[in-house]
Amino acid sequence: NAGVTQTPKFRILKIGQSMTLQCTQDMNHNYMYWYRQDPGMGLKLIYYSVGAGITDKGEVPNGYNVSRSTTEDFPLRLELAAPSQTSVYFCASSYDRENEQYFGPGTRLTVT
Amino acid sequence: AQTVTQSQPEMSVQEAETVTLSCTYDTSESNYYLFWYKQPPSRQMILVIRQEAYKQQNATENRFSVNFQKAAKSFSLKISDSQLGDTAMYFCACRVYSGGSNYKLTFGKGTLLTVNP
Repeated sequence: NAGVTQTPKFRILKIGQSMTLQCTQDMNHNYMYWYRQDPGMGLKLIYYSVGAGITDKGEVPNGYNVSRSTTEDFPLRLELAAPSQTSVYFCASSYDRENEQYFGPGTRLTVT
Repeated sequence: AQTVTQSQPEMSVQEAETVTLSCTYDTSESNYYLFWYKQPPSRQMILVIRQEAYKQQNATENRFSVNFQKAAKSFSLKISDSQLGDTAMYFCACRVYSGGSNYKLTFGKGTLLTVNP
């Protein structure tokens, strides 16, 4: 099992550009999550999904969109990138809400 | 709103010694989970230990153990026989799920632990 994979590892965007961060898990987990980690801070939940076709907002959803068309994939879309979105983004998954979350390696995004 | 506070931005310990990382939290929910995550320089987030709030017994995972004081809302992590590979940022987190879309996972700001040879 590869676990949770994320692409790309690094990306530099110009203000106003858009991009999609990819996340895939091969553990047949129902729950998937997107977090951002700003320098010197803990993780903050952006969006989460409890299964294919079901998504919900976390603590900091503004400026992002997600979709969950399959169990495996949970892409995060940034529209009109802003410098405030410069961060490290982590995707995670878990079998259900009770169990351990497995994290991907992260994507470092810089918006200039 | 729930909060998680880690009052020690940095700590250091000698190899083979014991170190305790502090964490306090605040939540109005009665059903919650507490976690310690480790983030080494590779940035990968790794679960160290978890504690269900309804369990009185402190969780233990090999060299890692917690001191869960529910009334004081304290959740400290003790690392025994520290190893160089324990050098990492450690995050305390509190997870609450009260049904529907009410899912909250709150992290502290982290404690950078350095294990010295």
